[in-house]
Amino acid sequence: EADIYQTPRYLVIGTGKKITLECSQTMGHDKMYWYQQDPGMELHLIHYSYGVNSTEKGDLSSESTVSRIRTEHFPLTLESARPSHTSQYLCASSDPRRTGGYYGYTFGSGTRLTVV
Amino acid sequence: AQSVTQLGSHVSVSEGALVLLRCNYSSSVPPYLFWYVQYPNQGLQLLLKYTSAATLVKGINGFEAEFKKSETSFHLTKPSAHMSDAAEYFCAVSESGANSKLTFGKGITLSVRP
Repeated sequence: EADIYQTPRYLVIGTGKKITLECSQTMGHDKMYWYQQDPGMELHLIHYSYGVNSTEKGDLSSESTVSRIRTEHFPLTLESARPSHTSQYLCASSDPRRTGGYYGYTFGSGTRLTVV
Repeated sequence: AQSVTQLGSHVSVSEGALVLLRCNYSSSVPPYLFWYVQYPNQGLQLLLKYTSAATLVKGINGFEAEFKKSETSFHLTKPSAHMSDAAEYFCAVSESGANSKLTFGKGITLSVRP
């Protein structure tokens, strides 16, 4: 049973629209991450957070922004969607202190975004 | 810096045949290593992990992987492929430390022929 939830699962939206992709986890994890996954499968880290009011940009430059006002919530926002933003977006969380030193991630099911 | 190399993008096997998916890593410190599986339109699910205990790690769905430090490898195997194993497989590496992040390989698509 998933402990990290992403909504919506699928989104088709027109160019120029503002969108927010939601990610929530019920595990109390401090660390959360957003990955962008291209059709060719490769995962690119675009944002991460180590706790409330902490956000950092990842390895891949992205026009999206994130916020972390509550531990359980890590939404991603695109102010003006473009076709180049079409991709799958995966959210993940981790907290080695709570998982016996396990440094792996728990992933949500993803949001598949299509900008037309 | 840590990195993961997964050679090839696609592996095809017959049902019942051995599955071997290769993963080599680079890390400046003893690594933690992971294999994740992704089914269509899903997130990533942990298959197995190596965290400095036994070098042969058993995971879910009959998969296992062996950590070989001398070869810097963590290849994933399954003795007998099943149709339901068709998916994308990602190898990942992490260094210990509270703020360490996972670095993923490019992934391999596994196809299983009837």
